[in-house]
Amino acid sequence: ETGVTQTPRHLVMGMTNKKSLKCEQHLGHNAMYWYKQSAKKPLELMFVYNFKEQTENNSVPSRFSPECPNSSHLFLHLHTLQPEDSALYLCASSQVPGTSVNNEQFFGPGTRLTVL
Amino acid sequence: RKEVEQDPGPFNVPEGATVAFNCTYSNSASQSFFWYRQDCRKEPKLLMSVYSSGNEDGRFTAQLNRASQYISLLIRDSKLSDSATYLCVVNSGNTPLVFGKGTRLSVIA
Repeated sequence: ETGVTQTPRHLVMGMTNKKSLKCEQHLGHNAMYWYKQSAKKPLELMFVYNFKEQTENNSVPSRFSPECPNSSHLFLHLHTLQPEDSALYLCASSQVPGTSVNNEQFFGPGTRLTVL
Repeated sequence: RKEVEQDPGPFNVPEGATVAFNCTYSNSASQSFFWYRQDCRKEPKLLMSVYSSGNEDGRFTAQLNRASQYISLLIRDSKLSDSATYLCVVNSGNTPLVFGKGTRLSVIA
């Protein structure tokens, strides 16, 4: 049982829709991450939040908009997506790198997104 | 050179076989090393951390060679349930973990 939950688990949306992915961690961590994993491809880091502040944006298109209202919650707002954005979107949390000897990241189960 | 490189496989081995994966990393300042396991259509999960002196957890042995900047994972007596993708992961201190592309293992009956 992971301490990181994600909803919804599956999402099908059209290119003109607006939807949001939600992530919540119950581990007392203060860093949260969004990753994209396309079929048969490696993990791609999208965004990093440390202490609710965005510290990394790996050249992600503006149709993906993250929001971190507090250290336990992370959202990914989606609008006007393209079919090639279909992928598994994984949320993870950890202690802020460099602040703890334990750097392990815990992943949520992911949201499998299909864009039609 | 990629930060973390792994042979993508797939490695197809019979049950009971011993299989080894290697991984190289480019940042000599890297401090922490891990192996994660990802089952098909599931999230990655920590398999084991890798310590400088090498460490063992049951059938799994991890080794670190800082001079050559490589990490290895040895799986003995492979089980069908070991079939998964194994991700080599490196941390350089104040930055997020860097994940390799993963090595796919299929254990065949």
